Amino acid sequence: SAVISQKPSRDICQRGTSLTIQCQVDSQVTMMFWYRQQPGQSLTLIATANQGSEATYESGFVIDKFPISRPNLTFSTLTVSNMSPEDSSIYLCSVVGTTYEQYFGPGTRLTVT
Amino acid sequence: AQSVTQLGSHVSVSEGALVLLRCNYSSSVPPYLFWYVQYPNQGLQLLLKYTTGATLVKGINGFEAEFKKSETSFHLTKPSAHMSDAAEYFCAVKAYSGAGSYQLTFGKGTKLSVIP
Repeated sequence: SAVISQKPSRDICQRGTSLTIQCQVDSQVTMMFWYRQQPGQSLTLIATANQGSEATYESGFVIDKFPISRPNLTFSTLTVSNMSPEDSSIYLCSVVGTTYEQYFGPGTRLTVT
Repeated sequence: AQSVTQLGSHVSVSEGALVLLRCNYSSSVPPYLFWYVQYPNQGLQLLLKYTTGATLVKGINGFEAEFKKSETSFHLTKPSAHMSDAAEYFCAVKAYSGAGSYQLTFGKGTKLSVIP
């Protein structure tokens, strides 16, 4: 299984600012994913981050709001831009392992005030 | 497109009692099925998975689940609940979504409480 770390683990940010979340994996992976888990809700896929190409965003998520970088096969960042209280969520990085297993990082708990 | 339905957003059991968390899915192609657990203030941990082969799969912490194609179900069970099982459980289905990619879709989760 892959070991995934995320930074920061939590943050409290002011409305209108931006936060960049880092995801580091202990092995090279082709596909990385970013999910959002709003309070009391399930996980929603934000985008798929592939190395060497632009991220693919799901319906309802746009690059201007959630820009993603994927500079190599072990690292990715997600930026939450121009934050509002509605962006308060847990953001999780995820990778695919063998046999279609998908592993998740510990999450970044974001509170926007 | 696939979807996942978890019956019961909140389930309470007594310590030592049977745990049964229900999951039904819909998928137009053969799915891969997963259960994840999320402990308070933590990320998601893979409990068990069904890909192919034996329909009864065993996972960590004494949990198991049975894939029933005819019922499109993948219910999670544990014979005897422990206080440490209190967490939120997510059922998920992964299926081919075209263009060489697979999509993982989650249910809304079931919060399990264990009463001493």
